[in-house]
Order: sequence, then C-alpha cells, then structure tokens
Amino acid sequence: GAVVSQHPSRVICKSGTSVKIECRSLDFQATTMFWYRQFPKQSLMLMATSNEGSKATYEQGVEKDKFLINHASLTLSTLTVTSAHPEDSSFYICSASRGEGFQETQYFGPGTRLLVL
Amino acid sequence: DAKTTQPPSMDCAEGRAANLPCNHSTISGNEYVYWYRQIHSQGPQYIIHGLKNNETNEMASLIITEDRKSSTLILPHATLRDTAVYYCIVRAYYGGATNKLIFGTGTLLAVQP
Repeated sequence: GAVVSQHPSRVICKSGTSVKIECRSLDFQATTMFWYRQFPKQSLMLMATSNEGSKATYEQGVEKDKFLINHASLTLSTLTVTSAHPEDSSFYICSASRGEGFQETQYFGPGTRLLVL
Repeated sequence: DAKTTQPPSMDCAEGRAANLPCNHSTISGNEYVYWYRQIHSQGPQYIIHGLKNNETNEMASLIITEDRKSSTLILPHATLRDTAVYYCIVRAYYGGATNKLIFGTGTLLAVQP
C-alpha cells in the first residue's frame, strides 16, 4: 500500500514553545491531507483538512491560529502547534488521500507523540 | 455522513475467522463503507472498502447486506497480530477537501492464543 511518513515520531517540548510536525506521502502525490489528534483511550478526532496550495479547512472548535497547517507541495504538509501547553500533549496523526472516485483511499502516517512539559 | 454502530469489544480464537459487525442503517446511496484498524500506538491502517458489492482483498472480506444497512468485516484466519481497534466508517465521496473520514469508537478485537 501507499506509504505516509511523519517526523518526528515523538517530541518533548517546554510549555510556550512551538513544535512543527511533518507529514509526507512517499510514493504518491496528495492534493489533500488530513490532521487528526488522539487522546489516550479515545478515538481519532479530525482537526483539519489540508489542501495543497490553499488554506486549510479547520473542524469546529479547532483554533486555526494555534494549529498552523501548511501544504507546501503535493507530498508535504506540516502542522505547527504554536505556544504549546500541557493540554496539547497528544498523539497527532496525518493521512493523505490517494486515488479518485471509488478507488479513493486515505493512508495514515505512524503518528507523532507530543509531550508538553 | 451516516453514523455507524459497532460492538465495543470482541474476542476471537487464534486461527479462527473473526467476524466484525457494523450497523449503518442511515446510509445514503452515494456513501461507501470503509474499514480501518489501529494497532496500539500506531496510525490507522486501511483494510477494505465497498459500496454495495462484497469485496475481498489479501487482508479481509467485506460483506454488505442487500439493503446496505449493515456490513461485516471478515478476517478469515485471525492471528495475534490482528489484535487492534477496528473502525467502520461510512463516507460519501464528494471530491476534494470534503472527503474526510469521521472515526467512531470502533471495536476492540482481542485475538486469544
């Protein structure tokens, strides 16, 4: 299947700093990528849809100024958590959309575990 | 998008078939049924999807009822590595940014030795 990578796999940062997470589609181009967040023992929650060359679409309740998304190319989307606080500690997962019509499928990265001290 | 209902947990003996049910009684005609699974501390893995016909691939089979109100994911010979949370998701294809997946709580499948 298609391969999606994330970097870093885990990061620890101090409260108030910003953290950037990269999501790359390694063997296909993705005009659309998605960012999710998952707290312990909970399901994935969609944060935003990232579109190449345009602004991201955020889900209700997700602060766009806090979670900056940039989709600079067809293989790279970045999520920057600005002024991180302990409550932002979570598992962040991206996905990339491949194919069209019935064949359209999302492939997920391995996730980035963020711990804010 | 239509909501789905799945049992919170299931057990299965290693080597036996695992049958995971999903109810999606409010599904619309242009909505597909997708199955993903998430092994602990990893990103979700795509398994299979279908519209109205049964589908099979190297991982699993998907059986969708004729009225499309429910489906069953079948892992023919479960192994310990199949222990994971399985998500059944119904999603319409609109194209572009609106083809997002909304995850429910899924079914935790525990394969027992």
